[in-house]
Amino acid sequence: AQSVAQPEDQVNVAEGNPLTVKCTYSVSGNPYLFWYVQYPNRGLQFLLKYITGDNLVKGSYGFEAEFNKSQTSFHLKKPSALVSDSALYFCAVVYGGSQGNLIFGKGTKLSVKP
Amino acid sequence: EAGVTQFPSHSVIEKGQTVTLRCDPISGHDNLYWYRRVMGKEIKFLLHFVKESKQDESGMPNNRFLAERTGGTYSTLKVQPAELEDSGVYFCASSQVRGWNTEAFFGQGTRLTVV
Repeated sequence: AQSVAQPEDQVNVAEGNPLTVKCTYSVSGNPYLFWYVQYPNRGLQFLLKYITGDNLVKGSYGFEAEFNKSQTSFHLKKPSALVSDSALYFCAVVYGGSQGNLIFGKGTKLSVKP
Repeated sequence: EAGVTQFPSHSVIEKGQTVTLRCDPISGHDNLYWYRRVMGKEIKFLLHFVKESKQDESGMPNNRFLAERTGGTYSTLKVQPAELEDSGVYFCASSQVRGWNTEAFFGQGTRLTVV
């Protein structure tokens, strides 16, 4: 079955330190991969996506993610975390071409402490 | 430009009652999606409208859920009668073009609590 896994329910990082939020996927074919963020009392906000091309994708707010086909991973990273990055992060995948359904992971809560 | 808006932001109802959630997509967006997140779990697809037509409703959990999009503008999602397991956050998204190689915009969600 097609699925997305976010193995960490919560990630705690000190401000200024690098952060990584992990995501692995299990889909057939070539996936489209996404990261969304949900700030408190806000909607899901698009961060970045990978469709094809360069495996390193840069997105909003200084975030980036690297597509690793052999490890079926798409981890989200940022070199220096900010307290304002604290939010709920969702990894998502579309399989079966661009018009397939978007499948989400269960989310990872990122907490950045001053 | 206004984003995707959802009403209400929070609803608390008793088991057996009826609730109607509303989603106003971005103007001109033909594609409208409903998703649901049960607490602590994945956000799951419910259905997809293209204009007023249901393109895919494979994610609708059962016949207690009814989605409509009359006129191809706003959409409603009715739960009747509500059960405890229906509690969660219901998200709506819209996009101008079908397909996820273009950006879809999500609303802030409606938090439904069934007690």
